[in-house]
Amino acid sequence: KQEVTQIPAALSVPEGENLVLNCSFTDSAIYNLQWFRQDPGKGLTSLLLIQSSQREQTSGRLNASLDKSSGRSTLYIAASQPGDSATYLCAVCIGTASKLTFGTGTRLQVTL
Amino acid sequence: DVKVTQSSRYLVKRTGEKVFLECVQDMDHENMFWYRQDPGLGLRLIYFSYDVKMKEKGDIPEGYSVSREKKERFSLILESASTNQTSMYLCASSLLQTGGRGYTFGSGTRLTVV
Repeated sequence: KQEVTQIPAALSVPEGENLVLNCSFTDSAIYNLQWFRQDPGKGLTSLLLIQSSQREQTSGRLNASLDKSSGRSTLYIAASQPGDSATYLCAVCIGTASKLTFGTGTRLQVTL
Repeated sequence: DVKVTQSSRYLVKRTGEKVFLECVQDMDHENMFWYRQDPGLGLRLIYFSYDVKMKEKGDIPEGYSVSREKKERFSLILESASTNQTSMYLCASSLLQTGGRGYTFGSGTRLTVV
């Protein structure tokens, strides 16, 4: 059974710092991996999707990498801002079933 | 802007009531999903559907059923609500082959069963 782990569970950084969030998964036979953002009490907003054949994706200050063979992905946030404060979730999709398995998230706080 | 809309933001229901949670998407997506989210447990898949009238059990289907009579609408049904079904419920949709589009989630329904 696929298990997804996110480390750290919580992170507090001062504004302007670059930071890395980590995601690991136990079964490397994934179809794709997606990073989401969730604000308190809200739904999930998709940030980046990496197909299994890709190594990274970039959107603005965000960069996500994927190393399928080692079962790892990282989300890099450059020049963090207080508005980046949220919980970040990674999820892997296995095969054609299109079901997602989620990690429990990293709660990020960016302080002034 | 593409959307997944969940009909209720907050619901309070009594134990034993039959509860309907509605989800509508306007993206012509084949796949639709229902997840519940609980502190410390993350998001867990309840049911999903590939097409109209098709449904598959997820990881925690007990106590739930679903209905998909039209492509754009996917309903989650709590046959007899219990307090352990108090949770945040999230609906999502995706293309049959996700390609570069990924998943789109609704804003969630926070259900409290008293």
